[in-house]
Amino acid sequence: SYELTQPPSVSVSPGQTASITCSGDKLGDKFASWYQRKPGQSPVLVIYRDTKRPSGIPERFSGSNSGNTATLTISGTQAVDEADYFCQVWDSDSYILFGGGTKLTVL
Amino acid sequence: QVQLQESGPGLVKPSETLSLICSVSGGSISSSYWSWIRQPPGKGLEWIGYLYDRRTINYNPSLKSRVTMSLDTSENQFSLKLTSVTAADTAVYYCARMDRLYFFDYWGQGTLVTVSS
Repeated sequence: SYELTQPPSVSVSPGQTASITCSGDKLGDKFASWYQRKPGQSPVLVIYRDTKRPSGIPERFSGSNSGNTATLTISGTQAVDEADYFCQVWDSDSYILFGGGTKLTVL
Repeated sequence: QVQLQESGPGLVKPSETLSLICSVSGGSISSSYWSWIRQPPGKGLEWIGYLYDRRTINYNPSLKSRVTMSLDTSENQFSLKLTSVTAADTAVYYCARMDRLYFFDYWGQGTLVTVSS
């Protein structure tokens, strides 16, 4: 079955760029989405179809997907961006899959 | 603005059936895809299944034998039933709206279901 792998944690200083990766076999052939989840809150869609931002999501959030890796990039990271981030894809055999999640810490 | 709200028992005994309802407001439940997703403590998100109508329903292969989802258009609700639960089914359960391109744009606040005697 298909699997998505994310680093358990990423740390970034305020104002710097955070990159969170999601790896899977030929992931670039699929569409990736990203969700932000803060403690006690439900997930929020921040990127869909690899690169698209829903309305209301700050421009500092961007996405890319190529080869075996999708990447969520947060430019000018702010303290409010500290959260867990999950990638997600649709696979024809396994249907809908989520990565294990990455805890972003803004130091 | 679509809003979703999960409801159901917070405690279920082992071997019994977990039943949850998701109430949808701010839009019709018809003509959209709806899904259940869960997150066990300390673990990642797990997709349970999605449905569009009585004929368009897909379940996570790992849960398929125990899951039933259904739609109630008169009440603008959809439901989840998970049979023969064990402690491994303890999780926060979310309902969500799924876009036709397989991403989730609206989520409920989530409800914790604990399986314990």
